[in-house]
Amino acid sequence: AQTVTQSQPEMSVQEAETVTLSCTYDTSESDYYLFWYKQPPSRQMILVIRQEAYKQQNATENRFSVNFQKAAKSFSLKISDSQLGDAAMYFCAYSTNAGKSTFGDGTTLTVKP
Amino acid sequence: DAGVIQSPRHEVTEMGQEVTLRCKPISGHNSLFWYRQTMMRGLELLIYFNNNVPIDDSGMPEDRFSAKMPNASFSTLKIQPSEPRDSAVYFCASSRRGPGANVLTFGAGSRLTVL
Repeated sequence: AQTVTQSQPEMSVQEAETVTLSCTYDTSESDYYLFWYKQPPSRQMILVIRQEAYKQQNATENRFSVNFQKAAKSFSLKISDSQLGDAAMYFCAYSTNAGKSTFGDGTTLTVKP
Repeated sequence: DAGVIQSPRHEVTEMGQEVTLRCKPISGHNSLFWYRQTMMRGLELLIYFNNNVPIDDSGMPEDRFSAKMPNASFSTLKIQPSEPRDSAVYFCASSRRGPGANVLTFGAGSRLTVL
């Protein structure tokens, strides 16, 4: 079974600074997808960024980028120029090709003004 | 598209009562997932459907839980009888399968409190 580990229960960052959230996963599959989702206090889960395992290039979405290390099974999220609206719980998720997603325990990000 | 629609948003019931949670996935999405979120256990996948067929229900806690998807636009998660330990937020999510897909779109969740 696939597992996803987020080793940082809580992180904080100063507004406008950069923060990196860590994620590791375990799988025997070669083809899969990785995601970061954001859950603000409203509890609505929102996709932040997606990475296909077959792509070597790291995904980027505006201020959000990932560092995908397939051999190390590592998938970290970097948030640049942090904004107050980035405060939320962030979940790393692994998805099989069939679409079944497993989530980490989440990292609560606090942004300090 | 209105997104994934869940009802009710909040449900408070007493132990032993039947609870039915409802979900309308995004039109055109062919996979549907039910997740449960608690502080203790995080986000757990309960069951998922592909093309209305249950594929994996290994996450369903016990026989008190059942889920159906009678058509592509509707699914239910039923708990009978409910227990206090079932208190949680239940999320429905849908996705489109295939290359470049597999992104989950979540509903707003149904917060269940069993007294």
